[in-house]
Amino acid sequence: QKEVEQNSGPLSVPEGAIASLNCTYSDRVSQSFFWYRQYSGKSPELIMSIYSNGDKEDGRFTAQLNKASQYVSLLIRDSQPSDSATYLCAVRDDKIIFGKGTRLHILP
Amino acid sequence: EADIYQTPRYLVIGTGKKITLECSQTMGHDKMYWYQQDPGMELHLIHYSYGVNSTEKGDLSSESTVSRIRTEHFPLTLESARPSHTSQYLCASTSFGGYTFGSGTRLTVV
Repeated sequence: QKEVEQNSGPLSVPEGAIASLNCTYSDRVSQSFFWYRQYSGKSPELIMSIYSNGDKEDGRFTAQLNKASQYVSLLIRDSQPSDSATYLCAVRDDKIIFGKGTRLHILP
Repeated sequence: EADIYQTPRYLVIGTGKKITLECSQTMGHDKMYWYQQDPGMELHLIHYSYGVNSTEKGDLSSESTVSRIRTEHFPLTLESARPSHTSQYLCASTSFGGYTFGSGTRLTVV
């Protein structure tokens, strides 16, 4: 059974600080990794994709992938109250397997 | 800009009614998916399709059925709605890479 594990949170981070979200996955052959943001009552929105080891930066967001450790993370710099949401880690082999999500709360 | 549309956005119906939730995408994606999600809970895959005339059941047992007669259209049907079907239903599509989600249909069965 392929699994994607995330801490459910809530993770509380002061405004302006760095939020760090972590995810581990069980399938070593997975090739594609994604982070989705989901606001309460809304559908998931793709915010980052990463396919190779290392870091990928997009604005305030940085995704980090370590395939040897089967670990993917998302850093959010200069956290804003609008970043408060549930963040879903997703791993694709055939179909995408979603984690259960980490609730992030940015404290004003 | 995500071009995947779900209708209706909200639906309240009585027990025993037949309903169809619509999902259409204009991106030419071959793969389409239906997820069920209760508030604050995880996504559950209930159906997927890899192309026209191809449909498969997902990980969560569901009493719904789907069809894929056209690439762009992937409707989900409940023959007899029950209160246990109350949930949010999300449609998604992709060709490669990540999924693009529609806005969802929030279904309430009374």
